[in-house]
Amino acid sequence: DAGITQSPRHKVTETGTPVTLRCHQTENHRYMYWYRQDPGHGLRLIHYSYGVKDTDKGEVSDGYSVSRSKTEDFLLTLESATSSQTSVYFCAISATLGGELFFGEGSRLTVL
Amino acid sequence: TQLLEQSPQFLSIQEGENLTVYCNSSSVFSSLQWYRQEPGEGPVLLVTVVTGGEVKKLKRLTFQFGDARKDSSLHITAAQPGDTGLYLCAGEKLTFGTGTRLTIIP
Repeated sequence: DAGITQSPRHKVTETGTPVTLRCHQTENHRYMYWYRQDPGHGLRLIHYSYGVKDTDKGEVSDGYSVSRSKTEDFLLTLESATSSQTSVYFCAISATLGGELFFGEGSRLTVL
Repeated sequence: TQLLEQSPQFLSIQEGENLTVYCNSSSVFSSLQWYRQEPGEGPVLLVTVVTGGEVKKLKRLTFQFGDARKDSSLHITAAQPGDTGLYLCAGEKLTFGTGTRLTIIP
């Protein structure tokens, strides 16, 4: 299995609070991604990174920011969480853009 | 954005039956991937198809890429309970379909 660790795995927070999810990889893959998964919507891309300090927006980036200061870590931040951001968040990595994606186990976020 | 529509959304069948699920788009893809996701886990890649008309087999699973590279199908022969899961197709621009949730009843 690809070495991808997401933390925290579960989090409950209140509306308006900041939240940071962390993705850590041990595969030295160049590309890292954050997706959210919601019933009826499948997996939707939030942001992705193609190198250290190089990131780009995905389909549903509003309300989210990311940072990648090291190859192995990709952080997703919700500056002020809203109930619509209640979701399961998946980190993924790949060696090439459009290549096989390896996913973490997901982080379930509940915003009350 | 490449939109991918999967059908059916839900499918529940008896063990031993055959089934086909579909992934369709109005866009042309240079490649298309199929993933399976089990509860509480992330999706895992099953196959990548890259050539129009291509057929790939993975044990009892047969994947076909449409000639025009706008659609794909997954056929499962003699379904087993272990085939239960969410099947997702994905295009090369990081877009996923909404998935087919398959349940095989023993």
